[in-house]
Amino acid sequence: QVQLQESGPGLVKPSETLSLICTVSTWSIRSYDWSWIRQPAGKGLEWIGRMYGSGSTNYNPSLKSRVTMSLDTSNNQFSLKLSSVTAADTAVYYCARDHGLCTNSICYDAFDIWGQGEMVTVSS
Amino acid sequence: QSVLTQPPSVSGAPGQRVTISCSGSSSNIGAGYDVHWYQQLPRTAPKLLIYGNSNRPSGVPDRFSGSKSGTSASLAITGLQAEDDGDYYCQSYDSSLSEVFGGGTKLTVL
Repeated sequence: QVQLQESGPGLVKPSETLSLICTVSTWSIRSYDWSWIRQPAGKGLEWIGRMYGSGSTNYNPSLKSRVTMSLDTSNNQFSLKLSSVTAADTAVYYCARDHGLCTNSICYDAFDIWGQGEMVTVSS
Repeated sequence: QSVLTQPPSVSGAPGQRVTISCSGSSSNIGAGYDVHWYQQLPRTAPKLLIYGNSNRPSGVPDRFSGSKSGTSASLAITGLQAEDDGDYYCQSYDSSLSEVFGGGTKLTVL
């Protein structure tokens, strides 16, 4: 069963705003924290930011001026908006659950569940 | 340039043992932040392999193990299998207020 599913336009024009939604099934979106992570083709992973179940956020300082994340509790979704995009923002965008995994009474926050990813291309 | 440094590639024959290093600094791993490892098989999303430096999520074989010391961490894979072929990423937190990943290591099972 699909637990996290990204959706949004696969093509965005330069200087416009990239918008993606992650639909969460199985859990209430308020019960966990959530992150967006991206991966340019053939390259490594980059953390974009975190959406807490409380509604607060924190963003990668390198992207902070362009990123907005929000919760839609009525649809059990959270969203990503990235403004003023350029070709450098072309990537596969993943949403992931940010969860405290506990062993011997010590808990560690890690990305334990990932969506399948959404390819977004920035091009005119 | 990634904040955490990994070797671009490692390889090993089936049944052998390989290790993948993850080198950080005093602002991330050396500051005491935990390290997690992810496995990304071809054309799939990353999967959590090791959390909290050395713990395996349910379902991950005990052939995979992690360790951390000082400003570095390591992932060891014993009894290599063809299905282990893929990319491996370390991840930690940096005092610049960001989650950070290594550049990834491509594991080739010969």
